[in-house]
Amino acid sequence: GQQVMQIPQYQHVQEGEDFTTYCNSSTTLSNIQWYKQRPGGHPVFLIQLVKSGEVKKQKRLTFQFGEAKKNSSLHITATQTTDVGTYFCAGNNQGGKLIFGQGTELSVKP
Amino acid sequence: EPEVTQTPSHQVTQMGQEVILRCVPISNHLYFYWYRQILGQKVEFLVSFYNNEISEKSEIFDDQFSVERPDGSNFTLKIRSTKLEDSAMYFCTTGDGDYGYTFGSGTRLTVV
Repeated sequence: GQQVMQIPQYQHVQEGEDFTTYCNSSTTLSNIQWYKQRPGGHPVFLIQLVKSGEVKKQKRLTFQFGEAKKNSSLHITATQTTDVGTYFCAGNNQGGKLIFGQGTELSVKP
Repeated sequence: EPEVTQTPSHQVTQMGQEVILRCVPISNHLYFYWYRQILGQKVEFLVSFYNNEISEKSEIFDDQFSVERPDGSNFTLKIRSTKLEDSAMYFCTTGDGDYGYTFGSGTRLTVV
């Protein structure tokens, strides 16, 4: 079945450093979504990418969708302690269900 | 901002017992899902529900699981005979089909 792989599993950074997490799907996706889960919390929707090669920005966060619509990345510039949490990518096919990656847990040292 | 409400927040049950997890979706959303997350692991799809019927289910969603909308508003997940490995956080998720999904705060199910 469809698989979504995400790396790295953990990332520890000093506050102010950049952070990137990468996501790869075994199949072409209709869209990809990104979620953030704070410790003890639930996934919160960040963004959806639909078009091949699409790039979207939310303040310090930059999201990219690959040309083949099989990979994606999330880049955070100049991390802050409020960025702490686990970032999940989730691939979406025509059926509508989300297949989540394993998540990247980000810790930020002040 | 509209929320997905889940009850209870925590449920402890004995192995073999039945549990019902409840969800109140966002009112104008048409697509409903149940996901689960075992502690420290990724979020796993269980089932999707649209137009009052199951549209897709995963291998996890075996005959012990069922979903329904008993009164047209609440969306429930029933586990008939719980097993230890059913212990997880269960998230109800709803969407309007066009954009991202809204997750409820989850029900932490502990089977002892």
